[in-house]
Amino acid sequence: SQELEQSPQSLIVQEGKNLTINCTSSKTLYGLYWYKQKYGEGLIFLMMLQKGGEEKSHEKITAKLDEKKQQSSLHITASQPSHAGIYLCGAELHRDKLIFGTGTRLQVFP
Amino acid sequence: DTEVTQTPKHLVMGMTNKKSLKCEQHMGHRAMYWYKQKAKKPPELMFVYSYEKLSINESVPSRFSPECPNSSLLNLHLHALQPEDSALYLCASSLRRTSGSFNTGELFFGEGSRLTVL
Repeated sequence: SQELEQSPQSLIVQEGKNLTINCTSSKTLYGLYWYKQKYGEGLIFLMMLQKGGEEKSHEKITAKLDEKKQQSSLHITASQPSHAGIYLCGAELHRDKLIFGTGTRLQVFP
Repeated sequence: DTEVTQTPKHLVMGMTNKKSLKCEQHMGHRAMYWYKQKAKKPPELMFVYSYEKLSINESVPSRFSPECPNSSLLNLHLHALQPEDSALYLCASSLRRTSGSFNTGELFFGEGSRLTVL
């Protein structure tokens, strides 16, 4: 089983709609990262969360880490076609090893 | 310069060939990584170099041989690969904060090298 589970696995939304992606771990998350990947390309860093209850925003994307530091959510407000891609959460569940969640594929249609 | 450059972008090789993937960064990062990504799967960690020394090998078969000639360069030497090794190989680097601790910090990824083994 995966150590970092993401849900949903895929998401198709109409442009302008809000959406949320979740990332869940069975272990305490000491650092939680969100990345975005376009098909067949490298990963682009979005945000890093460290403290329980922490919330960060960049443009229309907001990420939160829950108080127990075992779950994070990524929320996109008023989605646009440019938000389409694969969203990956990442965490160091073992020292020095950044591993990734199962991924969420987002499609935004006009 | 905030880029990680990977070459080649595409590589096709036979099972008896020897080839190499190259990765370069000039951000002064002291940790470099190789990840392997199969279609519709998340990247999987292969190797971690910290201060030019191999610190993590995730039980990768010996037909993959990493090399870190200096702090800016990371190579992945390929020999006698199998068709199932076909994948996107991603290189990344980070500004290592404290070796052996959690919180590696942001990883900067290259665009990847797409490898096809015939």
